[in-house]
Amino acid sequence: AQRVTQPEKLLSVFKGAPVELKCNYSYSGSPELFWYVQYSRQRLQLLLRHISRESIKGFTADLNKGETSFHLKKPFAQEEDSAMYYCALMASGGSNYKLTFGKGTLLTVNP
Amino acid sequence: DAMVIQNPRYQVTQFGKPVTLSCSQTLNHNVMYWYQQKSSQAPKLLFHYYDKDFNNEADTPDNFQSRRPNTSFCFLDIRSPGLGDAAMYLCATSRDSGPGYTFGSGTRLTVV
Repeated sequence: AQRVTQPEKLLSVFKGAPVELKCNYSYSGSPELFWYVQYSRQRLQLLLRHISRESIKGFTADLNKGETSFHLKKPFAQEEDSAMYYCALMASGGSNYKLTFGKGTLLTVNP
Repeated sequence: DAMVIQNPRYQVTQFGKPVTLSCSQTLNHNVMYWYQQKSSQAPKLLFHYYDKDFNNEADTPDNFQSRRPNTSFCFLDIRSPGLGDAAMYLCATSRDSGPGYTFGSGTRLTVV
């Protein structure tokens, strides 16, 4: 069975500081990893996926299979980045459309 | 805009009184999901429909049922809500294993 761990429930940084939200996963196959974000009073929305290798809103995430990690990083945090961030894993194979979520990290960017 | 709509946004129901939550989508996605999210916990998949095929998670209580009368609509029925069923219920859609889910705003269920 797959599992996603986000060790930090809360993360607080100052504007302009680098930020890293940690995500580790457990899965025996080849997973697809995602980061979802939920801004205050808004719905969950996709931020980025590892396959795309893109930077969204200045955020990047690299899949490290050796460390089974998919940490989310941004070099200079902005106040509008304050939100709840969820790491999620999609298993490969027959049930490859089901997402397993971590518990989330609440990021607060202070002015 | 194409989207996923959940109604109502807030639902209060009495202990043991059946309740139905609804979800509709205009994306024409063939997969629809229901997640339960309790405070400070990860969203937990209850079940999903792949087209008309219902797929229940092994640990989803029998108290939870779902219906999908057509592509656009999916319902979550809780036959006898208990206090422990109070949670945010999230509906999501996707196209097969496509790039990600589209979520609704959720329905927050309170059981009194």
